[in-house]
Amino acid sequence: QSVLTQPPSASGTPGQRVTISCSGSSSNIGSNTVNWYLHLPGTAPKLLMYSNNLRPTGVPDRFSGSKSGTSASLAISGLQSEDEADYYCATWDDSLNGRVFGGGTKVTVL
Amino acid sequence: QVQLQESGPGLVKPSGTLSLTCAVSGGSISSSNWWIWVRQPPGKGLEWIGEIWHNGNVNYNPSLKSRANISLDKSKNEIFLNLTSVTAADTAVYYCAKEWRDAFDVWGQGTVASVSS
Repeated sequence: QSVLTQPPSASGTPGQRVTISCSGSSSNIGSNTVNWYLHLPGTAPKLLMYSNNLRPTGVPDRFSGSKSGTSASLAISGLQSEDEADYYCATWDDSLNGRVFGGGTKVTVL
Repeated sequence: QVQLQESGPGLVKPSGTLSLTCAVSGGSISSSNWWIWVRQPPGKGLEWIGEIWHNGNVNYNPSLKSRANISLDKSKNEIFLNLTSVTAADTAVYYCAKEWRDAFDVWGQGTVASVSS
């Protein structure tokens, strides 16, 4: 059971907007910034969003992040077939004194 | 551009010790960032194992703290993970990563470690 809760799956058709939620608590999301990663099994995970809503160089502006209270979300607009992957949220947990990941959300493009 | 490359034995016997190496190129492990180990068991999500600063300070996942040991060799620009008393539950793809602004911006390709007799 992950400290951060994500829906196991999300889907949409090409061009649609998909949102992935990440729910935590006051000791993690509530007091620290959230990062998002894209992962295709068998490959290196890729940093998609850092400090809640900042995109690293090269990440398209179709991806956006937000945080409110003890929850965060990642939105993918203009969904494309290459967006099919697993997405993970992550942050620091003050109670555990360590970093924590969400369980991951598999995005399927229908 | 920093690049990371993990390596390890591939197969470890139960109750043995898993020893992995992360070779860092294109940058120095003495830079001001954490060096991270993360793993992904088959069919499961990512799990943070721990991290090390260039001065040797370490943080560990509480669930692995008693079995994990992370160290580094500045002369070789390498980071190491030792995991003792392994069981089948430790079978996973193991990644090393570099921390930047509290996120992991560079990752290795990962190395598979299987625990089996």
